[in-house]
Amino acid sequence: QKEVEQNSGPLSVPEGAIASLNCTYSDRVSQSFFWYRQYSGKSPELIMSIYSNGDKEDGRFTAQLNKASQYVSLLIRDSQPSDSATYLCAVTYSSASKIIFGSGTRLSIRP
Amino acid sequence: NAGVTQTPKFQVLKTGQSMTLQCAQDMNHNSMYWYRQDPGMGLRLIYYSASEGTTDKGEVPNGYNVSRLNKREFSLRLESAAPSQTSVYFCASVNKKETPLHFGNGTRLTVT
Repeated sequence: QKEVEQNSGPLSVPEGAIASLNCTYSDRVSQSFFWYRQYSGKSPELIMSIYSNGDKEDGRFTAQLNKASQYVSLLIRDSQPSDSATYLCAVTYSSASKIIFGSGTRLSIRP
Repeated sequence: NAGVTQTPKFQVLKTGQSMTLQCAQDMNHNSMYWYRQDPGMGLRLIYYSASEGTTDKGEVPNGYNVSRLNKREFSLRLESAAPSQTSVYFCASVNKKETPLHFGNGTRLTVT
């Protein structure tokens, strides 16, 4: 079992709709959770970070964390064509400074 | 402010050749990381260095060695390259483990 799991997609969402991306992790005592966006041929860039249970909103993006169920999700409201990218979930493991990524979800926003 | 700088940007090796990928950061970060990304895949951790003088294996360390030369620099060495090591390699750094990674622009390596 991978330490961080994501649905690889592709996830196709119509423009203007809500895109929902999910991630599960295996280490119960993980502390820090991140969502990165990666365009083809580019480096990942940070979208959201979340550290405590509940929701965190930043513009059109909302990150949700549920430590009891060991999942973290990202909602993108009013999806735009520019949101088409691969979204990577990353988890910092408590044992050291190890940061593990999921395999990424490809998101496609169709006009 | 350069951030994280990786060299080279592109490299082609023949099977069995060796090379070192260089990474340097100018943000005074404590921790540094090497990841590889295969087509259509996420990032897989090769090695990381939590602080100057320490290194630890990640998810896929076989076939690689690393050196944390000083606080700024963290190099990745392939002693005997194999076609399975064809990938894009990203170096990243972070100041504290609760904060996001800063990435370099990547090195695209092809082993024939």
